[in-house]
Amino acid sequence: SQQGEEDPQALSIQEGENATMNCSYKTSINNLQWYRQNSGRGLVHLILIRSNEREKHSGRLRVTLDTSKKSSSLLITASRAADTASYFCATDFSGNTPLVFGKGTRLSVIA
Amino acid sequence: GAGVSQTPSNKVTEKGKYVELRCDPISGHTALYWYRQSLGQGPEFLIYFQGTGAADDSGLPNDRFFAVRPEGSVSTLKIQRTERGDSAVYLCASSVSGLPGELFFGEGSRLTVL
Repeated sequence: SQQGEEDPQALSIQEGENATMNCSYKTSINNLQWYRQNSGRGLVHLILIRSNEREKHSGRLRVTLDTSKKSSSLLITASRAADTASYFCATDFSGNTPLVFGKGTRLSVIA
Repeated sequence: GAGVSQTPSNKVTEKGKYVELRCDPISGHTALYWYRQSLGQGPEFLIYFQGTGAADDSGLPNDRFFAVRPEGSVSTLKIQRTERGDSAVYLCASSVSGLPGELFFGEGSRLTVL
């Protein structure tokens, strides 16, 4: 079963624009992570946010977490063609449960 | 090696055959995970090892699927009597010390069952 639900399923933007992807989940979580996957490749970890954190930054990435709404967002600022990929959120319910991934958002950045 | 290595990268087999997929994790990582990804979907958890033992195998779909990690490093996912529905990309990941940290993924093994 998949816990996270990303929105939108697909997003197409121009280079230089910001891209925002959302993730909603159903039950209380321990941590939430975002991963990126280029076509035909493995997943690459982007950022981890703990349940007691509200916002984290890493370079051009900004992640927010709203536990009251059971949702997270990933913002990529000043997007580049190289950001074209699928982005997945993944949650764990406690320190002893494996990561459960959503279906992902396919981002296309047009040069 | 520098990253998680999976072999074969591609495997085509016939329905009913036996298949083994291998994963070599990052050196020193004690935790190893197997996920399965179908087209257009996110990775689906199969099994998680901490050292040599399976800490959680709740994601294995049925008893045709089995995984081992005898020396706490390399792992093999074994699928018996393959079915067309087993076709997917099988992803392996490792982490330094187990849940809930960052996972390092391999490139995957694409299995096609004809």
